[in-house]
Amino acid sequence: AAGVIQSPRHLIKEKRETATLKCYPIPRHDTVYWYQQGPGQDPQFLISFYEKMQSDKGSIPDRFSAQQFSDYHSELNMSSLELGDSALYFCASSLGLAGRQQYFGPGTRLTVT
Amino acid sequence: KQEVTQIPAALSVPEGENLVLNCSFTDSAIYNLQWFRQDPGKGLTSLLLIQSSQREQTSGRLNASLDKSSGRSTLYIAASQPGDSATYLCAVSGNAGGTSYGKLTFGQGTILTVHP
Repeated sequence: AAGVIQSPRHLIKEKRETATLKCYPIPRHDTVYWYQQGPGQDPQFLISFYEKMQSDKGSIPDRFSAQQFSDYHSELNMSSLELGDSALYFCASSLGLAGRQQYFGPGTRLTVT
Repeated sequence: KQEVTQIPAALSVPEGENLVLNCSFTDSAIYNLQWFRQDPGKGLTSLLLIQSSQREQTSGRLNASLDKSSGRSTLYIAASQPGDSATYLCAVSGNAGGTSYGKLTFGQGTILTVHP
């Protein structure tokens, strides 16, 4: 069965650079969630989209933005990167919004030097 | 604001032992609760999902229970094996007055080590 695809899997950037992370949900899934997991931390919710509209927002810095496109894939854009942005970024998808099981991608490991 | 707590933070057991991991949450208005496994530096593997209307779910050697009214869940692992060594995360999908739309709130996890 098709799973959630995230690209790239690894990314190394320098401070103040920009990064774009991509997420391709399971086919027919219309909802995407983004989570950030810092070293030794539990995953923290960043933002979610349902049917291409932002549905919820968590602790996402103003330097980050995201959107969901017409084919339901999503991109997380990160600007003015800081050392503290180094983390695993997970994308999850679901069919429908509240209460549906979320299926997680393998994550993108971002390292900011 | 939903808060999820997992006890113990770490657990070391000999192979073959049965064990219980605990998870508690502060807001009982949840849609569901999920248990995940995470190996070091790796992704999240979903183990069990319990809907708010359910009391328990079973998969192989794993059994998870949910007591929504008291804000508690347990993950029972039978006949533990060294391959079970990983971090186990509990996460709740909350309702929070109808404004959270299903985002997951995670606990800090329990680091499990099963030694031969």
